[in-house]
Amino acid sequence: NAGVTQTPKFQVLKTGQSMTLQCAQDMNHEYMSWYRQDPGMGLRLIHYSVGAGITDQGEVPNGYNVSRSTTEDFPLRLLSAAPSQTSVYFCASSRQGGRNIQYFGAGTRLSVL
Amino acid sequence: AQSVTQPDIHITVSEGASLELRCNYSYGATPYLFWYVQSPGQGLQLLLKYFSGDTLVQGIKGFEAEFKRSQSSFNLRKPSVHWSDAAEYFCAVNAGNMLTFGGGTRLMVKP
Repeated sequence: NAGVTQTPKFQVLKTGQSMTLQCAQDMNHEYMSWYRQDPGMGLRLIHYSVGAGITDQGEVPNGYNVSRSTTEDFPLRLLSAAPSQTSVYFCASSRQGGRNIQYFGAGTRLSVL
Repeated sequence: AQSVTQPDIHITVSEGASLELRCNYSYGATPYLFWYVQSPGQGLQLLLKYFSGDTLVQGIKGFEAEFKRSQSSFNLRKPSVHWSDAAEYFCAVNAGNMLTFGGGTRLMVKP
């Protein structure tokens, strides 16, 4: 079982560059989300989606875009990377509703110079 | 809005000693509560969850947690810590579709 797959695992960008972090899940989950993890701050929600064609902002959405054209994929786009976006990014998926367990990918470690 | 506080950033315990990691939450309704563990360089793995019913819940790897509504707490415990338990632990509360995490507690285990 693949679960939640994130690519790449590591990435270094220069300020102003753009890139897309990929996330795919094979569990047919309706809900997908992106978090960033920074020391001492836990994981903070960036964007989430409750189904194909539906996305919404989380706690820290500025500087990031998302789209959800299929149930399986939920890419995160950085249009103009900034050093403040240096972080570890996690994608998660679950069935709809607060009782459902979120399954996490292995993360993408991003450095912006 | 919901929030989660983990007061202890770092905890060091000796192997074989008992462990308690603290978690306090703020949420207006009955919360759905979770504990996750993250080993170095890895994603998050669910340890246990509380939705309703018995306030003492059992999880994987010998962990348990107790929900105390009066104290808005959901503390994680383990009777005897193993060296492999060294990791970072996150408490989280789910309100609707948004999972809110605490800042995490890094556990170090002394031989």
